[in-house]
Amino acid sequence: EVQLVESGGGLVQPGGSLRLSCAASGFTFSSYWMSWVRQAPGKGLEWVANIKQDGSEKYYVDSVKGRFTISRDNAKNSLYLQMNSLRAEDTAVYYCARERAASGWGQGTLVTVSS
Amino acid sequence: DVVMTQSPLSLPVTLGQPASISCRSSQSLVHSDGNSYLNWFQQRPGQSPRRLIYNVYNRDSGVPDRFSGSGSGTDFTLKISRVEAEDVGVYYCMQGTHWPPITFGQGTRLEIK
Repeated sequence: EVQLVESGGGLVQPGGSLRLSCAASGFTFSSYWMSWVRQAPGKGLEWVANIKQDGSEKYYVDSVKGRFTISRDNAKNSLYLQMNSLRAEDTAVYYCARERAASGWGQGTLVTVSS
Repeated sequence: DVVMTQSPLSLPVTLGQPASISCRSSQSLVHSDGNSYLNWFQQRPGQSPRRLIYNVYNRDSGVPDRFSGSGSGTDFTLKISRVEAEDVGVYYCMQGTHWPPITFGQGTRLEIK
């Protein structure tokens, strides 16, 4: 069974940084693209970033380019999202998802950007 | 960017009756490899999203067969043959043909009348 467990969310001031983690189990992590998807309070789903199996390709939504960095450690079956220069509009639940087609999701971690 | 437009945005349905959600894309979702990367997700209240359908009409493991997907080009549909109480939630379509960015529809809220 696919299991994805996110962590690292919390309250941060505008301009601050956070690093999200996603621990994967139940599948061969190194064989899949991985994604981050977010959902602002009461809003819909927004794709944020994804990363190829070996980390050689990374893609981002325009609104986070230059501020967020996706990475992975296949030896640790883990996905990461380094978020810098955070803004109020980055407030959301951040989900880790397996592959570009999001065949499995974690429970999400809440990031709140507020002073 | 490909814009995904769902309708209706709110869908009240009587238990046991069918339901249908439309998703239209701003350009054809046929990929050069011949596939159409159109997926459907269900998000029950207070839960994470769950994929129901991938590549237009393929049901994910464990998804009841009352859920079906159809369509081609720019017009796609998710149908529920007989709505049950557990189907309450928000449904999203998502395209993965023309990316980045991967884009979602606005969501359709299904409720029981």
